[in-house]
Amino acid sequence: NAGVTQTPKFRVLKTGQSMTLLCAQDMNHEYMYWYRQDPGMGLRLIHYSVGEGTTAKGEVPDGYNVSRLKKQNFLLGLESAAPSQTSVYFCASSYAIQQATDTQYFGPGTRLTVL
Amino acid sequence: DQQVKQNSPSLSVQEGRISILNCDYTNSMFDYFLWYKKYPAEGPTFLISISSIKDKNEDGRFTVFLNKSAKHLSLHIVPSQPGDSAVYFCAASVRGNNRLAFGKGNQVVVIP
Repeated sequence: NAGVTQTPKFRVLKTGQSMTLLCAQDMNHEYMYWYRQDPGMGLRLIHYSVGEGTTAKGEVPDGYNVSRLKKQNFLLGLESAAPSQTSVYFCASSYAIQQATDTQYFGPGTRLTVL
Repeated sequence: DQQVKQNSPSLSVQEGRISILNCDYTNSMFDYFLWYKKYPAEGPTFLISISSIKDKNEDGRFTVFLNKSAKHLSLHIVPSQPGDSAVYFCAASVRGNNRLAFGKGNQVVVIP
């Protein structure tokens, strides 16, 4: 049981390049999330998904797109990377509301640098 | 607008002593609170939680206290161990909407 995994672990991009971050979970969780963590800012929600085929905007969605084609995967895309998107990105997942817990389980993170 | 606030960004404590981390929130609708622990180069891991119907929850060396009237919660670690050196995030949610609001985190250093 790997929990939540993220690919890649590190990436360096040039301004304007695009990339996709992959998140996978094997806990059969309905909900999945993408956060970014910046120094002194805590964790900020980018986008989230409440189930396969659904996505919704979080606190800081601009410049990012997401897709949830399979229940176990949640992809985060940067179409045209900017230096302001240099950050550590965390994926998380949790059970659905009906299971009455808001505990989220996090992946190890992807460190992205945009030059 | 920061709905969950963690002041005093860093804390140093001797091994064996108590570590106390504080967290304040502004949204009176929050009814579920969590603490996460994060080591460098790893993702946050769930530590302990408390529902608003309680004022205390204990799990081994970790205890969380909730004061709803003051919109304040705290995490006590007793006794502190070197392995507790990490960043601790306070988080809150309105139960059932599965979205967490996080504080900025507190760095704890336990000195052997």
